[in-house]
Amino acid sequence: SYVLTQPPSVSVAPGQTARITCGGNNIGSKSVHWYQQKPGQAPVLVVYDDSDRPSGIPERFSGSNSGNTATLTISRVEAGDEADYYCQVWDSSSDPNVVFGGGTKLTVL
Amino acid sequence: QVQLVQSGSELKKPGASVKVSCKASGYTFTSYAMNWVRQAPGQGLEWMGWINTNTGNPTYAQGFTGRFVFSLDTSVSTAYLQISSLKAEDTAVYYCAREGVYSSGWYDYWGQGTLVTVSS
Repeated sequence: SYVLTQPPSVSVAPGQTARITCGGNNIGSKSVHWYQQKPGQAPVLVVYDDSDRPSGIPERFSGSNSGNTATLTISRVEAGDEADYYCQVWDSSSDPNVVFGGGTKLTVL
Repeated sequence: QVQLVQSGSELKKPGASVKVSCKASGYTFTSYAMNWVRQAPGQGLEWMGWINTNTGNPTYAQGFTGRFVFSLDTSVSTAYLQISSLKAEDTAVYYCAREGVYSSGWYDYWGQGTLVTVSS
């Protein structure tokens, strides 16, 4: 099955930029989606198809994908951005078809 | 507005069965696929599979065959997850998640989650 690798944790000061990576074999050829999950809550889609934002998601959230790494970038980080972030892909050749990364805990210092 | 409302927490004994419901509102139920995702305590997200809300045809991920059944009642816009022969390792929060567009692979609305606890 396809494997997505995320760093367990990322820390950033308020107002700075956080970058959360998601590694996978030739992930640049796939569409990557990102979810934010706060404690006790359901995940929320923050970026889909590598770099598109659902309505209601601030422009501070952006995504990129190339080669073997996809990246979620959060600009001007706020305390409210502290959460777990998961990357996800759909791969028709894999079983399971849908794979999530292990998640990254974003801590706002 | 789009909402997915799941049934409440369940406490079950090993060997029992449980049925979790996911009631959709605010959109045409049969226009979007429904997926199921599991999250064990303190762990990440794990995709269980999906059900075609037009045909009722389910697809199960590896590891979720046999004891897991997805079903629908389109008359009440509700999807169901049934787990039989429960084991302690089935203890988790189970989410239903709407696929944004059929075959898009991304999930734009999620239920609030249903905690299933399996303990003797």
